[in-house]
Amino acid sequence: EAQVTQNPRYLITVTGKKLTVTCSQNMNHEYMSWYRQDPGLGLRQIYYSMNVEVTDKGDVPEGYKVSRKEKRNFPLILESPSPNQTSLYFCASSPVTGFHSNQPQHFGDGTRLSIL
Amino acid sequence: KQEVTQIPAALSVPEGENLVLNCSFTDSAIYNLQWFRQDPGKGLTSLLLIQSSQREQTSGRLNASLDKSSGRSTLYIAASQPGDSATYLCAVSGSRLTFGEGTQLTVNP
Repeated sequence: EAQVTQNPRYLITVTGKKLTVTCSQNMNHEYMSWYRQDPGLGLRQIYYSMNVEVTDKGDVPEGYKVSRKEKRNFPLILESPSPNQTSLYFCASSPVTGFHSNQPQHFGDGTRLSIL
Repeated sequence: KQEVTQIPAALSVPEGENLVLNCSFTDSAIYNLQWFRQDPGKGLTSLLLIQSSQREQTSGRLNASLDKSSGRSTLYIAASQPGDSATYLCAVSGSRLTFGEGTQLTVNP
């Protein structure tokens, strides 16, 4: 089954404790992206990747890092999490360049992070 | 900077009604527009994608239209059912994918 898998689904942690949210897709998609969803602000893009070893900032990259060492994986790293990063996070993937194509993005089920 | 607005923010209708959800965007230089459905605790599911050269797309009871020059799209849902209850999001693809805040739809039996 074609899917985007995020782990963990839920995480409560404390300020400053490094964490990684993993994202894996089994569709051989080139384009992958991370979003955060907040009430009143909607979905905002954090980082995206056009292909292996190619990443770029989205609208709200501050406080986050990503890497794309393999095509299927695109982890989101919070080196020193802060309470303002408490949010619902989504990973997405699509073929080719994603938003330039006629192919829709596939989303994971989300990761709810609470930073105390 | 692209801005996407969805009206109404919430909508409650009785089962069987036909309904229209609206999406407007400020920059008409887009590649495509997508409508997504989001269920509680779940990710987004793509419903329809309209390329910038197209005027509409249909899938089952759903029909989405796009008027790029006026910066508007509508999602028409025919004969609504309780299972249609969800949040519907539109997103436009320009230099990046920009989402609206969504319309929360409740279809009452």
